[in-house]
Amino acid sequence: GQSLEQPSEVTAVEGAIVQINCTYQTSGFYGLSWYQQHDGGAPTFLSYNGLDGLEETGRFSSFLSRSDSYGYLLLQELQMKDSASYFCAVRGGGAGNKLTFGGGTRVLVKP
Amino acid sequence: GAGVSQSPSNKVTEKGKDVELRCDPISGHTALYWYRQSLGQGLEFLIYFQGNSAPDKSGLPSDRFSAERTGGSVSTLTIQRTQQEDSAVYLCASARGAGTNEQYFGPGTRLTVT
Repeated sequence: GQSLEQPSEVTAVEGAIVQINCTYQTSGFYGLSWYQQHDGGAPTFLSYNGLDGLEETGRFSSFLSRSDSYGYLLLQELQMKDSASYFCAVRGGGAGNKLTFGGGTRVLVKP
Repeated sequence: GAGVSQSPSNKVTEKGKDVELRCDPISGHTALYWYRQSLGQGLEFLIYFQGNSAPDKSGLPSDRFSAERTGGSVSTLTIQRTQQEDSAVYLCASARGAGTNEQYFGPGTRLTVT
């Protein structure tokens, strides 16, 4: 089976930096993805790490350490519109493209 | 271009009734997924279609749940004899193909079983 752990909620102020950690246990691993979901909206893809290291996309960066079964999403220069839930997801298991999601981290950005 | 569409957006049904949820993936996407999301929870994988291959049904919670994909495009998720615990948002996603990292999600169908 597969399981992912991430904090349930994080609060920060505009302009701050937030790091959302994700640890996983999986029987097969093809990569770690991050998705953003605003209340009432559909999840949207943010980033993917298939290899160890840091991937940077604008204000958002994602990191993976396969030896530690650990990754994180870094949100920089927080803006009010970043208030949303963020999910880590692992590709693995019976079908290589199936995603197993964590429970999500709700980020609340305050002025 | 058009994204993933789902219908209906909301469905209220009585316990014991059957429901059908529809998903129209992005044109040309060969991979299609169904997920379920309960309030405040993560997404739970249900079923995965890839091209003409046999679907991965490993996430379907019971034999009351089934799905089909016709012509490699539109998919229908059917829940028979609905139960209150089936109440959730059902999300469909598509991707360009197997091994593609990015999945594109539809807006979901909110199912309420009374």
